[in-house]
Amino acid sequence: DGGITQSPKYLFRKEGQNVTLSCEQNLNHDAMYWYRQDPGQGLRLIYYSQIVNDFQKGDIAEGYSVSREKKESFPLTVTSAQKNPTAFYLCASSPGQGTYEQYFGPGTRLTVT
Amino acid sequence: QKEVEQNSGPLSVPEGAIASLNCTYSDRVSQSFFWYRQYSGKSPELIMSIYSNGDKEDGRFTAQLNKASQYVSLLIRDSQPSDSATYLCAVNLRDGNNRKLIWGLGTSLAVNP
Repeated sequence: DGGITQSPKYLFRKEGQNVTLSCEQNLNHDAMYWYRQDPGQGLRLIYYSQIVNDFQKGDIAEGYSVSREKKESFPLTVTSAQKNPTAFYLCASSPGQGTYEQYFGPGTRLTVT
Repeated sequence: QKEVEQNSGPLSVPEGAIASLNCTYSDRVSQSFFWYRQYSGKSPELIMSIYSNGDKEDGRFTAQLNKASQYVSLLIRDSQPSDSATYLCAVNLRDGNNRKLIWGLGTSLAVNP
């Protein structure tokens, strides 16, 4: 069963703690993306990666970090430097190589108090 | 600044009617255009992609692209209450050697029984 998985679905953390969100895909897609979505707002790109061991900052990368050690996995760490971490985090993947549509995982809702 | 603009709505149509959703974009070199549907609390789901001028039909959905006017639209025929969702328009953009999608803020559609 191919798809994109994100875990956990809900995550609660105390302020000042780093937290890592998981994103895994078995679609053999080259590119992967992380977005955050706040209530009533659009999708904002955090980081993206077109190939293994390479990634680029998106529009709101401050306070976040990523790695792309395997094609299937693109974890996102929300650090304590991120001022407003509470949000809905969405991971997506895209086939790449001239095909640009993105497919999304179910999302992780992070609440930091 | 590359932008994608959509009317936020809400767009309200009666069941069985045609819903028309519009999107304009500012980057003349964009070549790929996508429509996503997002139910409340869920992740976006790809429903249509279009690359060439003209119409593309898939079931009750028709995407229309006019590159000269920088305009892409989505028509939903025989609207059903289950079509009630936010519809996101996305446009592919080259970012150096990379590709990413630029997103509109979405149009909220309500189909009334």
